[in-house]
Amino acid sequence: TQLLEQSPQFLSIQEGENLTVYCNSSSVFSSLQWYRQEPGEGPVLLVTVVTGGEVKKLKRLTFQFGDARKDSSLHITAAQPGDTGLYLCAGVYSSASKIIFGSGTRLSIRP
Amino acid sequence: GAGVSQTPSNKVTEKGKYVELRCDPISGHTALYWYRQSLGQGPEFLIYFQGTGAADDSGLPNDRFFAVRPEGSVSTLKIQRTERGDSAVYLCASSPGTGVPYEQYFGPGTRLTVT
Repeated sequence: TQLLEQSPQFLSIQEGENLTVYCNSSSVFSSLQWYRQEPGEGPVLLVTVVTGGEVKKLKRLTFQFGDARKDSSLHITAAQPGDTGLYLCAGVYSSASKIIFGSGTRLSIRP
Repeated sequence: GAGVSQTPSNKVTEKGKYVELRCDPISGHTALYWYRQSLGQGPEFLIYFQGTGAADDSGLPNDRFFAVRPEGSVSTLKIQRTERGDSAVYLCASSPGTGVPYEQYFGPGTRLTVT
């Protein structure tokens, strides 16, 4: 059972469009991470958000952690074909012993 | 520098057999994690080591699964009496244990197929 729900599961958009991916949970996390995974490879960390309400920007990617530290969003501006991949959010418990991944959003950018 | 490596990259075994999957973490990383990823899903936590000890093994699905890290570096995930439902990609990740909260570096995974 996934404690972190991501939406949408699949997203196919045209190059240059904007998109937002959501990650929701009923659990409170000490921090939340976003990863990107390509076929045949392990996930690669994009960002860690720690404080409720925190916003981090990484070039065209904007990450937000909800005030209650239960949800997060990833916004991509002017999507490019290189953004294609599986985007995963992961909730970190304060003990740091367990990290729970969401179900993932598979993003496809059409040229 | 060398990243996390996992061997074998692919393993096909028959139902009921025993398998071992190996993970070589980044040198100096004290934390090591095992995950299982089924098709179309996110990674599912299995076990976490801090040094040589299993700090949290609550994700292991049953007693057929066992993992060791005897010298605090290389880890082996062992699966006894494999079942078709064990088919998945098994991912290993290591972490320095300090710095950016719990930043994990993943290996490419071992794809296990049980026939």
